[in-house]
Amino acid sequence: KNQVEQSPQSLIILEGKNCTLQCNYTVSPFSNLRWYKQDTGRGPVSLTIMTFSENTKSNGRYTATLDADTKQSSLHITASQLSDSASYICVVSAGPGGSYIPTFGRGTSLIVHP
Amino acid sequence: SQTIHQWPATLVQPVGSPLSLECTVEGTSNPNLYWYRQAAGRGLQLLFYSVGIGQISSEVPQNLSASRPQDRQFILSSKKLLLSDSGFYLCAWSPRSVIIPGELFFGEGSRLTVL
Repeated sequence: KNQVEQSPQSLIILEGKNCTLQCNYTVSPFSNLRWYKQDTGRGPVSLTIMTFSENTKSNGRYTATLDADTKQSSLHITASQLSDSASYICVVSAGPGGSYIPTFGRGTSLIVHP
Repeated sequence: SQTIHQWPATLVQPVGSPLSLECTVEGTSNPNLYWYRQAAGRGLQLLFYSVGIGQISSEVPQNLSASRPQDRQFILSSKKLLLSDSGFYLCAWSPRSVIIPGELFFGEGSRLTVL
């Protein structure tokens, strides 16, 4: 069964600090992994996407890494801002022969305090 | 460019009343369409997906139904709402033919409160 597990479930940090969110998956065959940001009461918005051959991808202060061997990904946020407060969702999609329905993690709720 | 519209944004309904949430996509053809529900503090749960007009697949047994009367229109309905139907409902679309699958574009969501 395809699964995506995220940790921690919630995280509180001070403005300006860095943080790292984790994602472990068992989706097979693997196609790509995306990180979404969901502001409270809004729809999720894609931050990064990585395929099998990519180890790291940056989008401003967001840097995602992927280890396809251990089936782990991380999202690193540098110099956090209040606007980073949101839920961060890891989504993994299967390749040919697998389900084309993406598998969602339950998200990490990040709160950035001033 | 493609856009997705979802309405109403907020809805308060009594138990036993009907429900209709609508979603339309513009700027693309033959999209895959999805309805997700997000309960408070929980992850996104896939309710229905559709790969074409009149083609609906249900992921979980429930009190809800979905219909796709037109290529870019997706409707979520219920004949009689339950308290447990309360939540945040998200419509999403993805391109039909893609090189990299799984690219989902979400609407702004509909907050349903059943009293």
